Formats: sequence, C-alpha cells, structure tokens
Amino acid sequence: KQEVTQIPAALSVPEGENLVLNCSFTDSAIYNLQWFRQDPGKGLTSLLLIQSSQREQTSGRLNASLDKSSGRSTLYIAASQPGDSATYLCAPTNSGYALNFGKGTSLLVTP
Amino acid sequence: DAGVIQSPRHEVTEMGQEVTLRCKPISGHDYLFWYRQTMMRGLELLIYFNNNVPIDDSGMPEDRFSAKMPNASFSTLKIQPSEPRDSAVYFCASRFGGGGEKLFFGSGTQLSVL
Repeated sequence: KQEVTQIPAALSVPEGENLVLNCSFTDSAIYNLQWFRQDPGKGLTSLLLIQSSQREQTSGRLNASLDKSSGRSTLYIAASQPGDSATYLCAPTNSGYALNFGKGTSLLVTP
Repeated sequence: DAGVIQSPRHEVTEMGQEVTLRCKPISGHDYLFWYRQTMMRGLELLIYFNNNVPIDDSGMPEDRFSAKMPNASFSTLKIQPSEPRDSAVYFCASRFGGGGEKLFFGSGTQLSVL
C-alpha cells in the first residue's frame, strides 16, 4: 500500500518568503502526482498535476517537482501571501487510478 | 459547470440511525470517488466507481457502509447503523478518464453521530 509522508506538518512564515513543502511516497510506480490545497471547512482544490514522465509543473507562483525514482515531490511557493494560508496535500496516483493522500502541511503566512 | 455537489453539508444524527450521503459528479466525468477525512487518519479512500460500476471497495470500513451509483449523475453512501466513530467529513470527488486527469472534490458532508 502506498504510504505518503509530508514534511513539515505545519509551517508559519512571514509574508514574502519563498518556501518549500516536501512529499515522499513509498511506491514509485505512479501515473502522476497531484498537489491540492484545502481551506478550512472546504473541499480540496487541485493546484498542479505532474505526469510520471515530467520533472516539474508551474502555475503562477507555484512550482512542483517530481523525482519518481526517489519517491519525492516538492511544492515551491514563491513570494508567499496571507491568502496562501491553507493546508497543502500531495497525492500520487497508482494502479487502479486511485489517489493516496498525505496528511498535509498546514501553512500560515503572516502579514 | 457547478462542480461536484454533495448533500447535505452537515448531518447530525444519533447512534443507530441510518445516514445517507449524496453526490452529483461533474457531467461527463466517468470516475467517482468517496473519501473520508478525520484528524487522526487524514483522507481515506472508501470506494470508487468507473462508469457507475464499483471498482474497489476495499476501503469501506465494514458492512455497515454501502455505496451505490445508479446512474452517471448520482451516487449515495449509506451508513446503517451509524456509530459515533463514523463522525468525519465525507468527500465525493470525480474525474474524467484514467489517472492522467485532475480530480475535482465536492465541499464535503460533515457527519456527527451522537
């Protein structure tokens, strides 16, 4: 069974800082990996999807990288803003197309 | 499109009662997933469907849980009888195609079993 670990579990940074969230997974036979954002009391929103053949994906201030062979992915957030405060979850997709989620990194960006 | 729609948003019930959660996936999506989220265990996959057919229900905790998808636009997750340990947020999500596409989540149903 795919095990997903996210480090750190919580992070607090001042506005404007660049930051990196880490995700590791035990089974490297994945189709892709998605990063999601979850706001309190809300559902999850997909931010980035990296196919297994790709090394990285970018969307605005977000950049996600994937090293499938080592079972690692990182989410880089540039010039963080208070509106980025949320929980960020990574989820690799294995055979059968079901996603396995980490427990997330809770991010707080202070003004 | 209105996105994935779940109802109710909140459900409070007493132990032993039957609970039915509902989901309308995004039109055209052929995969539907039910997840449960708790602080202790995070997001757990309960069951998923492809073209209305259950593919993997190994995450369903026990026989008290059942899920159906009678057509492409509707799914239910039923708990009978409910227990306090079932209290959690239940999410429905849908996707088009196999593993290469993004997954879209509903807003969830917050279930409290007293």
